[in-house]
Amino acid sequence: GAVVSQHPSRVICKSGTSVKIECRSLDFQATTMFWYRQFPKQSLMLMATSNEGSKATYEQGVEKDKFLINHASLTLSTLTVTSAHPEDSSFYICSAPRADTGELFFGEGSRLTVL
Amino acid sequence: QKEVEQDPGPLSVPEGAIVSLNCTYSNSAFQYFMWYRQYSRKGPELLMYTYSSGNKEDGRFTAQVDKSSKYISLFIRDSQPSDSATYLCAMSKTGTASKLTFGTGTRLQVTL
Repeated sequence: GAVVSQHPSRVICKSGTSVKIECRSLDFQATTMFWYRQFPKQSLMLMATSNEGSKATYEQGVEKDKFLINHASLTLSTLTVTSAHPEDSSFYICSAPRADTGELFFGEGSRLTVL
Repeated sequence: QKEVEQDPGPLSVPEGAIVSLNCTYSNSAFQYFMWYRQYSRKGPELLMYTYSSGNKEDGRFTAQVDKSSKYISLFIRDSQPSDSATYLCAMSKTGTASKLTFGTGTRLQVTL
């Protein structure tokens, strides 16, 4: 079964609203989690690294105020797309590294459609 | 130039064929090389990883890394319809559970 759970799997929202996506590690703790964005027929692009108890580290070109990341506990990270616009429509995927196995586990992804 | 280049396909092969998937990269600092499989609308799952140059085999899958050419490959023997998915190569400087740089993915279709 999945060891990283992502919710919601699909969300449709109106332009201008905010959407929150949750990423949970189910049976292990993760001090960091990674958020990716994937456009059709393109690779996963790392957006940011969330750090439990501290600020997220954003990749170059990613708007911090647009994509708010909070790593509230050792098993939960959230990505909030603020004032969403149609160009924010994409597939967002989180991942969490498991320290004891050295493996990176991915969530199922969240497809955001902004009308 | 992208750091990691991968032919997006699609690649269609008959059941039982040997499949060869490849990526090239430009950053010589990459040390860890991974192959992920992604089914439609799902997150990627790790198939195999290799550290530095060399070959690694796991069942029907073989991963090869040639650091001198900055070229990596994944071979699938006796391909099955259930192998139909998108295969993404990914690379890292520091480990398999750290920041990864992905290729675009190659969509594979294995037909009956």
